[in-house]
Amino acid sequence: ETGVTQSPTHLIKTRGQQVTLRCSSQSGHNTVSWYQQALGQGPQFIFQYYREEENGRGNFPPRFSGLQFPNYSSELNVNALELDDSALYLCASSPHDRAATEAFFGQGTRLTVV
Amino acid sequence: SQQGEEDPQALSIQEGENATMNCSYKTSINNLQWYRQNSGRGLVHLILIRSNEREKHSGRLRVTLDTSKKSSSLLITASRAADTASYFCATDAGGGSEKLVFGKGTKLTVNP
Repeated sequence: ETGVTQSPTHLIKTRGQQVTLRCSSQSGHNTVSWYQQALGQGPQFIFQYYREEENGRGNFPPRFSGLQFPNYSSELNVNALELDDSALYLCASSPHDRAATEAFFGQGTRLTVV
Repeated sequence: SQQGEEDPQALSIQEGENATMNCSYKTSINNLQWYRQNSGRGLVHLILIRSNEREKHSGRLRVTLDTSKKSSSLLITASRAADTASYFCATDAGGGSEKLVFGKGTKLTVNP
């Protein structure tokens, strides 16, 4: 167990709806990153938050948005859900450091859009 | 888009054999990391190798990095059934965002 918790573990939504996924970072970690992993693919970087501000974004449309709170937990919001948004959403936390460091991943939220 | 490609896409071996997975990437990196994923769950960090390192060991794992060829390999020695999982390489280009770019992974099956 990494100490990173995500909720919910599974979710089914209808196309066009909005969804909020939550992540609690590991104690002492001030950086949270979100990844989308489609079936059979590697995770793709959505965005990263550091000290409550977005610190890098991948190739995802604006309907993917996020928040980081003062306790470093984070939310991923997706508006106007599309069928292709069905995926495993992974949250990873790490200490922000110029030196190389590993990321600690949660167990993910499996989102199914129907 | 994916940065790297793992090779092979799938690998099936017997317990006790060694498993070698390769990763190629496209751009300059700060470090390269290997992760393991069981059955579509969260990723577990295995090992990190910096761009100025050529080889690193951790238990039964050995990772090599060749920055001139933009490639890395992960060797698991004396494999066990419990090593059955998908293995991903991820590159970190540095620059402060600590964004990881993953390959598509190698699915390893270790048969008892």
